[in-house]
Amino acid sequence: AQSVTQLGSHVSVSEGALVLLRCNYSSSVPPYLFWYVQYPNQGLQLLLKYTSAATLVKGINGFEAEFKKSETSFHLTKPSAHMSDAAEYFCAVAHTGTASKLTFGTGTRLQVTL
Amino acid sequence: KAGVTQTPRYLIKTRGQQVTLSCSPISGHRSVSWYQQTPGQGLQFLFEYFSETQRNKGNFPGRFSGRQFSNSRSEMNVSTLELGDSALYLCASSLDVGGPGANVLTFGAGSRLTVL
Repeated sequence: AQSVTQLGSHVSVSEGALVLLRCNYSSSVPPYLFWYVQYPNQGLQLLLKYTSAATLVKGINGFEAEFKKSETSFHLTKPSAHMSDAAEYFCAVAHTGTASKLTFGTGTRLQVTL
Repeated sequence: KAGVTQTPRYLIKTRGQQVTLSCSPISGHRSVSWYQQTPGQGLQFLFEYFSETQRNKGNFPGRFSGRQFSNSRSEMNVSTLELGDSALYLCASSLDVGGPGANVLTFGAGSRLTVL
């Protein structure tokens, strides 16, 4: 079964600092991986997706993620945090054959301080 | 274009009652999926509908059901509500063309259900 594990339920960074949110996957087949962001009282918004076309994936709002098969990782990064990045971030893997059934990680709440 | 619309946004029910939640997908999207989000269990897949047929189902009891209409709008129903059903219910739609790599889910803002 495919699954993802997010390390760290809470991450705090200073404004302007590097953001690193960790996600490791478990999959017996090449995975389709996603990062979503959720702002308070809102639904999920897609940040980026990995579909095997390129290992470094660029997303919206300056975020990017690198797929590393040897480490089974898909960590999310942003060079310089902004106050507006404060939200909860979810890594997810799509089940084989369908994009609609996603298994989500437990989420990482990002806090950005002045 | 309009996003995924979920109604109602907030509702309060008591144990034993039933509830129906509605989801209008993005125009042209044929697949509608439902997810439950709780602090304890996180985001869990409920079911997916495509062309008025349930195509995938998660591990939820039969009290949770859904349907999709010919215009792709979907409803989910929870009968005999329990306290543990309190959650944010998220609906998502997708074009469902080209496989997992080509498709992405677009989520609505959710319906927050509180069961007292």
